Amino acid sequence: QLQLQESGPGLVKPSETLSLTCSVSGGSITSSSSYWGWIRQPPGKGLEWIGDFTHTGDTYYSPSLTSRVTISVDRTKNELSLKLTSVIAADTAVYYCARRNRNGWSNDYWGQGTLVTVSS
Amino acid sequence: DIQMTQSPSSVSASVGDRVTITCRASQDISSWLVWYQQKPGKAPKLLIYAASSLQSGVPSRFSGSESGSDFTLTISSLQPEDFGTYFCQQVKSFPLTFGGGTKVEIK
Repeated sequence: QLQLQESGPGLVKPSETLSLTCSVSGGSITSSSSYWGWIRQPPGKGLEWIGDFTHTGDTYYSPSLTSRVTISVDRTKNELSLKLTSVIAADTAVYYCARRNRNGWSNDYWGQGTLVTVSS
Repeated sequence: DIQMTQSPSSVSASVGDRVTITCRASQDISSWLVWYQQKPGKAPKLLIYAASSLQSGVPSRFSGSESGSDFTLTISSLQPEDFGTYFCQQVKSFPLTFGGGTKVEIK
């Protein structure tokens, strides 16, 4: 059974960099049938797609975040990472990592989510 | 970007009622439409992919359909455990986009 687990600081100061890691177990992050990505949800609001990392190493980002975001994979650790620079209060959200399955390209496995608050 | 307009924003229904939620895409997305259910404090759960394919383990009272650029999620007989917020997502092209969500409450 595939499992995803996010980890990282719960509090980040404005203008600093938000860094999260998603540990994947029960399957390989190098699978050719999967994309891996990040989605966030501000408190009480809807879902926002941040970006995807494909099995070929390509990355796709939200146009509103592309200048500040980097998604990468550490194949040796089976981990996905997210870096978001120059954070502001509006970046406060629950951050989820998720797998997108080639079958319908839907997010079929999700981490439990981690709340990141941007505040001084 | 493809905009997904979801309606209604909330619905209150009784156990046994039929509930329908709609998403309209601003461009052609073929059948590249996904539905999720989210309960408070939890990650979203995949219900339907490719507009009408039921994810394994999801009760058959959930179904998806499409008509042109309109996509519908139907709960044929609402159950107490179906409360939560439902989101659609287009996966036709980047950037991926979600609908605004529909909160389903049990009367």
